[in-house]
Amino acid sequence: AQKITQTQPGMFVQEKEAVTLDCTYDTSDPSYGLFWYKQPSSGEMIFLIYQGSYDQQNATEGRYSLNFQKARKSANLVISASQLGDSAMYFCAMREDLLLIQGAQKLVFGQGTRLTINP
Amino acid sequence: DTEVTQTPKHLVMGMTNKKSLKCEQHMGHRAMYWYKQKAKKPPELMFVYSYEKLSINESVPSRFSPECPNSSLLNLHLHALQPEDSALYLCASSQVLGNGYTFGSGTRLTVV
Repeated sequence: AQKITQTQPGMFVQEKEAVTLDCTYDTSDPSYGLFWYKQPSSGEMIFLIYQGSYDQQNATEGRYSLNFQKARKSANLVISASQLGDSAMYFCAMREDLLLIQGAQKLVFGQGTRLTINP
Repeated sequence: DTEVTQTPKHLVMGMTNKKSLKCEQHMGHRAMYWYKQKAKKPPELMFVYSYEKLSINESVPSRFSPECPNSSLLNLHLHALQPEDSALYLCASSQVLGNGYTFGSGTRLTVV
């Protein structure tokens, strides 16, 4: 079974600093996908970035980048120049392909990291 | 249109009530999902619909009844819920094996 581990329950960072949120995963499937989502207190799950297991380069989306180390099974999220609006819960998730069901995927989530940006 | 729209945003219901949650997407995604999220926990999968057919039921009690009337709509019918069913209910949709997995903003349900 696939498993996602986020070891940082909470992090406190000064505004404008860079922050790294850790995520390690465990899977025996050669093909998989990794997602990062941001969840503010309002509850919506906001997609940030995606990395496929066969992607040659680390994914980047604006201030977000994913430090993908396949051999170490880690997919850390890096947020550059943090802002007050970045304060939220962050989830790392792995796509589990439901092979018996064409076109469906299940996301397995880590426990999340609550990030607080201090002014 | 790259959104998943959920209504209502908030719902308070008694244990004898019947209510429904609604989810809509127009991205052409053929898989739709219901997740349940308790406070300070990650989301957990409840149901999967693929091509409008129920494909996965993750041992969810029968007081939750999903329905997929067409490829754009997903409903969750609620009946005789318990207070422990109070949670954030998230709808999601996805394309065929890729990075397109989009969540709605959720319905925050309180059972009294």
